[in-house]
Amino acid sequence: GAVVSQHPSWVICKSGTSVKIECRSLDFQATTMFWYRQFPKQSLMLMATSNEGSKATYEQGVEKDKFLINHASLTLSTLTVTSAHPEDSSFYICSARPLQRTNTGELFFGEGSRLTVL
Amino acid sequence: GQNIDQPTEMTATEGAIVQINCTYQTSGFNGLFWYQQHAGEAPTFLSYNVLDGLEEKGRFSSFLSRSKGYSYLLLKELQMKDSASYLCAVTRGANNLFFGTGTRLTVIP
Repeated sequence: GAVVSQHPSWVICKSGTSVKIECRSLDFQATTMFWYRQFPKQSLMLMATSNEGSKATYEQGVEKDKFLINHASLTLSTLTVTSAHPEDSSFYICSARPLQRTNTGELFFGEGSRLTVL
Repeated sequence: GQNIDQPTEMTATEGAIVQINCTYQTSGFNGLFWYQQHAGEAPTFLSYNVLDGLEEKGRFSSFLSRSKGYSYLLLKELQMKDSASYLCAVTRGANNLFFGTGTRLTVIP
């Protein structure tokens, strides 16, 4: 159990276009999901906390108008990279915490989505 | 803010024991995680420490000292498949999880 699915796994797009990445919790509900970005040989950097039914909370330095987050249901959060540029090329990973496991603090991660902007 | 420090790289021999240290400075500390991440893959959960002391889980153990802002991950009987990055992460407040720089462990025969 506790599977998180991301789609697409990889995407290549032209500079200036927008890309949407989906994060789904397949067998549990999560009021909160997290979006991370990881550049090669670097650690995960928290971008934003996605809250179901409300606005996302962005970390300092992350442009909320560029990285649009929507958490429309207890099982789905989406990250849209708007007007993508080559410097946005990265590995984007989402994670979610099951409602029933808030005490353990354990997070389950999606497989990640590799974005390449040409 | 939060400062989470780990060694960048470590090398150890198959069958040996290795200890990966993590120090942190953060406000509102709740707990500390260790994750394993193979190249190009998402992290997988290893351990979660909230209270001081040692948590043992098979070949992996994790220790936490809240007063010292210090944790370590201990890997015993190293196997080649243990070559990966090991990420220390702290929770601050209700939900946020912040990762350290990660330690790239290479296990050699």
